[in-house]
Amino acid sequence: AQTVTQSQPEMSVQEAETVTLSCTYDTSENNYYLFWYKQPPSRQMILVIRQEAYKQQNATENRFSVNFQKAAKSFSLKISDSQLGDTAMYFCAFTKLYNFNKFYFGSGTKLNVKP
Amino acid sequence: GAGVSQSPSNKVTEKGKDVELRCDPISGHTALYWYRQRLGQGLEFLIYFQGNSAPDKSGLPSDRFSAERTGESVSTLTIQRTQQEDSAVYLCASSLSISTYNEQFFGPGTRLTVL
Repeated sequence: AQTVTQSQPEMSVQEAETVTLSCTYDTSENNYYLFWYKQPPSRQMILVIRQEAYKQQNATENRFSVNFQKAAKSFSLKISDSQLGDTAMYFCAFTKLYNFNKFYFGSGTKLNVKP
Repeated sequence: GAGVSQSPSNKVTEKGKDVELRCDPISGHTALYWYRQRLGQGLEFLIYFQGNSAPDKSGLPSDRFSAERTGESVSTLTIQRTQQEDSAVYLCASSLSISTYNEQFFGPGTRLTVL
């Protein structure tokens, strides 16, 4: 079975600073995808960043980057130059490669960006 | 273009009543997913459709839950004899296909409250 764990229920950061959200997962699979999703108060889930496990290079999307440690089964999200619009719930998620019919989500981290 | 839409956005019902939740995926998306999100928790996978077929119904919480999809378009999640523990946000997502990775696009969800 696959499990995704986010151990930080809530975090705060000052505007323009950097924050890191943690995620660990458990799987026996060797190839898979990992994701970070953002859910603002509007409830609309938005894909922030994606990482393929077979790629060693950490994914980066503008101010968002990940630290993927496959051996440790760790997948943290770093948000640089935090903006007020980054305030949201952030969910880490996992899916097996070639089996995109089921996605496993963590319990989420509520991020508050303070002015 | 239009995104994934869900209706109603909010539904309040009395315990024991049946409810139908509707999802309109993005046109051309053959894969469709239903999730349940209880208050303060992550997304719980319920069921997926590839076309009109739902090969795996094991994620549905009980036999009171059913889902169907017609014309590779609209999907309906039905909850019979609702219970208070069914109160949650029900999210729908669609993607081009499950056979290769394609981004899931989420709808805004239906907030179900069972009194």
